[in-house]
Amino acid sequence: SQQGEEDPQALSIQEGENATMNCSYKTSINNLQWYRQNSGRGLVHLILIRSNEREKHSGRLRVTLDTSKKSSSLLITASRAADTASYFCATDGLDSSYKLIFGSGTRLLVRP
Amino acid sequence: ETGVTQSPTHLIKTRGQQVTLRCSSQSGHNTVSWYQQALGQGPQFIFQYYREEENGRGNFPPRFSGLQFPNYSSELNVNALELDDSALYLCASSSWGGGALETQYFGPGTRLLVL
Repeated sequence: SQQGEEDPQALSIQEGENATMNCSYKTSINNLQWYRQNSGRGLVHLILIRSNEREKHSGRLRVTLDTSKKSSSLLITASRAADTASYFCATDGLDSSYKLIFGSGTRLLVRP
Repeated sequence: ETGVTQSPTHLIKTRGQQVTLRCSSQSGHNTVSWYQQALGQGPQFIFQYYREEENGRGNFPPRFSGLQFPNYSSELNVNALELDDSALYLCASSSWGGGALETQYFGPGTRLLVL
């Protein structure tokens, strides 16, 4: 079963705009990771945030984590057409640290 | 490029057949995990191999089995294929020491179609 849910399920924006995706999860975690997937191919790791961190940046990406609400958000600033992809959050739980549990993903379309 | 490779890229099988998928992990990684991703869904954890032993398993039947070799490459075997086994199969390698799971690096996947 899926650990979390991404919101929205689909997002369409204009190039240059910011895109925000949210993720909620159910159990206490060690880390939360965000991945990107282009057209049903392999997953590309974007960023890992630990449970004791609240915010992390990487280039145009900003991730926040609120463990009290069991939620995370991914912000992509100044989006580009090449950012078009599906984005997944994944967590490893305190009682099952050997595996990642993925949400259902947000499909992002960036229109040129 | 993650350095994780999978073969074959695509595969078509018929119901009841058996299939073997292969994965070569990234250099220096001791752990391989396998995931199944149905169309439009997030990946689902199948199992993980750590130092050639199964280290954890998801909610998949015993007809899903695997191996990890001394060079840390891995195989996923599925017996008695069912139509619902049609999916993208992803392997991921990482360096794991028993604590929190660090970044997993995914291969490009094998797309399996069962007719």
